[in-house]
Amino acid sequence: NFMLTQPHSVSESPGKTVTISCTRSGDSLASNYVQWFQQRPGSSPTTVIYEDNQRPSGVPDRFSGSIDSSSNSASLTISGLRTEDEADYYCQSYDSSSQVFGGGTKLTVL
Amino acid sequence: DVQLLESGGGLVQPGGSLRLSCAASGFTFSSHPMTWVRQAPGKGLEWVSAICPNGDCSYYADSVKGRFAISRENSKNTLYLQMSSLKVEDTAVYYCVKGGGYEKDYWGQGTLVTVSS
Repeated sequence: NFMLTQPHSVSESPGKTVTISCTRSGDSLASNYVQWFQQRPGSSPTTVIYEDNQRPSGVPDRFSGSIDSSSNSASLTISGLRTEDEADYYCQSYDSSSQVFGGGTKLTVL
Repeated sequence: DVQLLESGGGLVQPGGSLRLSCAASGFTFSSHPMTWVRQAPGKGLEWVSAICPNGDCSYYADSVKGRFAISRENSKNTLYLQMSSLKVEDTAVYYCVKGGGYEKDYWGQGTLVTVSS
């Protein structure tokens, strides 16, 4: 099995850009897509990125995803931060028989 | 609109059983893999189980293998999770999710399972 490691928390000011990392250990990240989910307090998660860098309809283009094979990590970048972006963010990937979530990153917009 | 409505949660004693249901609408249920994800109070998301579109394959997290069983009834657009030998650490909100490993796009509102004596 593999693991996905995220920073516990990040913070940034409104209007700025923040990047949340997700590092895969145990095997290659490039072999399986990564998804990113946003969870606001008291709400169900929603998908903000799928298949590494694709945005579902309705997700603003301020959200972008990328993969860095050299560091075996994925990143979620949010530009033009707004207070409503304050939430927990989870990365997730899979292998042939399981799915794994990262531990989550709490984004504070202050 | 896609809707996923979980039901069946509640309070159960350790060692007990519970069956969760997820009624799906707004999409062709039989064409999509489905997933259960749980979230313990104040904790992160944990993958529980997934099932193929026609039900002929299923997968489980090590933490629930041998105790939980996922199934689906495509004629009724319904996903199930049969949980047995429940432990205190199974206490969580259980989410029904449309999609599998890389294409989750809709989540239900969740149903709370509390395992306590």
